[in-house]
Amino acid sequence: DTAVSQTPKYLVTQMGNDKSIKCEQNLGHDTMYWYKQDSKKFLKIMFSYNNKELIINETVPNRFSPKSPDKAHLNLHINSLELGDSAVYFCASSQELGNNSPLHFGNGTRLTVT
Amino acid sequence: GDSVTQMEGPVTLSEEAFLTINCTYTATGYPSLFWYVQYPGEGLQLLLKATKADDKGSNKGFEATYRKETTSFHLEKGSVQVSDSAVYFCALRRAGGFKTIFGAGTRLFVKA
Repeated sequence: DTAVSQTPKYLVTQMGNDKSIKCEQNLGHDTMYWYKQDSKKFLKIMFSYNNKELIINETVPNRFSPKSPDKAHLNLHINSLELGDSAVYFCASSQELGNNSPLHFGNGTRLTVT
Repeated sequence: GDSVTQMEGPVTLSEEAFLTINCTYTATGYPSLFWYVQYPGEGLQLLLKATKADDKGSNKGFEATYRKETTSFHLEKGSVQVSDSAVYFCALRRAGGFKTIFGAGTRLFVKA
């Protein structure tokens, strides 16, 4: 009965490759997010979708492209991976856009680029 | 812009000690405030929240009070346990806003 699930949990790849991370939530939430956590645990929002519509697109390189086929899924595709992309990527969801709604996080995908 | 500042860690305490992790924020209007906890190898989980001034959020023995006059939301626990060892994040979300802004996180180590 996992609420927000991400796959894979670990991803090790070489520079220049293209990879995808998948995320699914079974909470019935309308809004989904991708966050990046660096080695110092700092969390930075990357993208957010509400009802399959992109509503947040931070200053992220064009190599990162989110895709939301439906409200329950938000995938992240990364082209031409670079060493600096190594981080833990978290998917999250929330019930509504209002400020009271907490985020529900997946367990993260640890990406290592060699 | 909106921001959250937390005390730097790591914080190391002995079991049953009193915990305070300071958090202050900068935001226009009246944001909601949150504390999240991240255990090793896991995602963040909501610990507690407060949505207006003077509200107190509480959960699992942790408490934090929304102080508008000092723009603070300090996390406290009267007696920590080894199982409380984790990284704690203070966060805010502005009314009508789409983003949750996180502090840098504070790592807590509790020794037996």
